[in-house]
Amino acid sequence: KAGVTQTPRYLIKTRGQQVTLSCSPISGHRSVSWYQQTPGQGLQFLFEYFSETQRNKGNFPGRFSGRQFSNSRSEMNVSTLELGDSALYLCASSLAAGLAGPNEQFFGPGTRLTVL
Amino acid sequence: SQQGEEDPQALSIQEGENATMNCSYKTSINNLQWYRQNSGRGLVHLILIRSNEREKHSGRLRVTLDTSKKSSSLLITASRAADTASYFCATDASGDSWGKLQFGAGTQVVVTP
Repeated sequence: KAGVTQTPRYLIKTRGQQVTLSCSPISGHRSVSWYQQTPGQGLQFLFEYFSETQRNKGNFPGRFSGRQFSNSRSEMNVSTLELGDSALYLCASSLAAGLAGPNEQFFGPGTRLTVL
Repeated sequence: SQQGEEDPQALSIQEGENATMNCSYKTSINNLQWYRQNSGRGLVHLILIRSNEREKHSGRLRVTLDTSKKSSSLLITASRAADTASYFCATDASGDSWGKLQFGAGTQVVVTP
């Protein structure tokens, strides 16, 4: 079974631009969570989608948004990029995510975003 | 804010030795998971232990959970150079678990041949 895939793997943008990152979950997984990882703040939860609905979100500004499609693929968008948005963005997929069984999450390789 | 705190922050050992790292957390949890990350890449899922379990094994890994102390430990036995990585604990907090894991700051483990 293929793992979680994320595209692109690397991105370089300038301040003020916007960016869209994509995540394809493991086949059969319906929950997708997004995380931001930086040296200073560590791993922080952005939001989670299940059946095209955002069920949970972390403490990030509205510039960070996401969506999920009917095939469970997910995208996240960051508008008006700031230097501090430079980070590794990770998505994770889960089979159950609270419906039944534990919230066991499997992560993709991440997208490294650099904002200049 | 981060739920978990790992201890130590860094660990340097030689091949064949055991590595032990600890994780403490603050709130009630459904389960606790350990992940490995190599050089800023994605997280690799190692093991999940549920709140009603006290110990779990997977290959050379042994995880314990003490919910009364809100702490967990990860033991890697007979370490190898390939175990060099950062290790994170992540908690699935009760009542706030829709897809959200809270991570500690991680333990950097270096295994020298």
